[in-house]
Amino acid sequence: GAGVSQSPSNKVTEKGKDVELRCDPISGHTALYWYRQSLGQGLEFLIYFQGNSAPDKSGLPSDRFSAERTGGSVSTLTIQRTQQEDSAVYLCASSLLGTSGGTGELFFGEGSRLTVL
Amino acid sequence: KNQVEQSPQSLIILEGKNCTLQCNYTVSPFSNLRWYKQDTGRGPVSLTIMTFSENTKSNGRYTATLDADTKQSSLHITASQLSDSASYICVVKNQAGTALIFGKGTTLSVSS
Repeated sequence: GAGVSQSPSNKVTEKGKDVELRCDPISGHTALYWYRQSLGQGLEFLIYFQGNSAPDKSGLPSDRFSAERTGGSVSTLTIQRTQQEDSAVYLCASSLLGTSGGTGELFFGEGSRLTVL
Repeated sequence: KNQVEQSPQSLIILEGKNCTLQCNYTVSPFSNLRWYKQDTGRGPVSLTIMTFSENTKSNGRYTATLDADTKQSSLHITASQLSDSASYICVVKNQAGTALIFGKGTTLSVSS
């Protein structure tokens, strides 16, 4: 696609429910990142996929968070048993090269705003 | 500890004026530094990427400088426009891994 596409753009859920957020990266980009942005805070790294390598999951805040990337393209971030502190904007980014391979300019999606009531 | 600190936290200027945003970092070893613009409710958009050997880089009315010795960068905006109102985020990559370290951003408001 022309840019990174994320869905849904907004999600309101009840505490304890599971949610899935989807990211469709730019075609051909091998690297894909998930970040979380809480109000007034900087971007918080969650997880990084690079090609067929094992993902870097070091940023996932708890075992309620997981992500997968199927076929090296679309990625889904899943949050189980959501809590109110999970409320944030979840941003996905992709790059042609991983950050280990040169400048690896990131292209961000518009984000998915999650509100947990 | 790898950190990126930005100042000021917020800034209000009149349309047409210039401004300079600051970024100090402690990331080591340094690989590159990026400035992003994030409009409200949108994803960040890259303005510049600077490597160790680059002192200055321009993108239209935006000029970024980098002093790798003092570990400081600045983003200068010339002849500001209302559309410059956004959050400006400084991001630093270290050579040691894949991590990008994000600053909390400076919120710029340009008023008429």
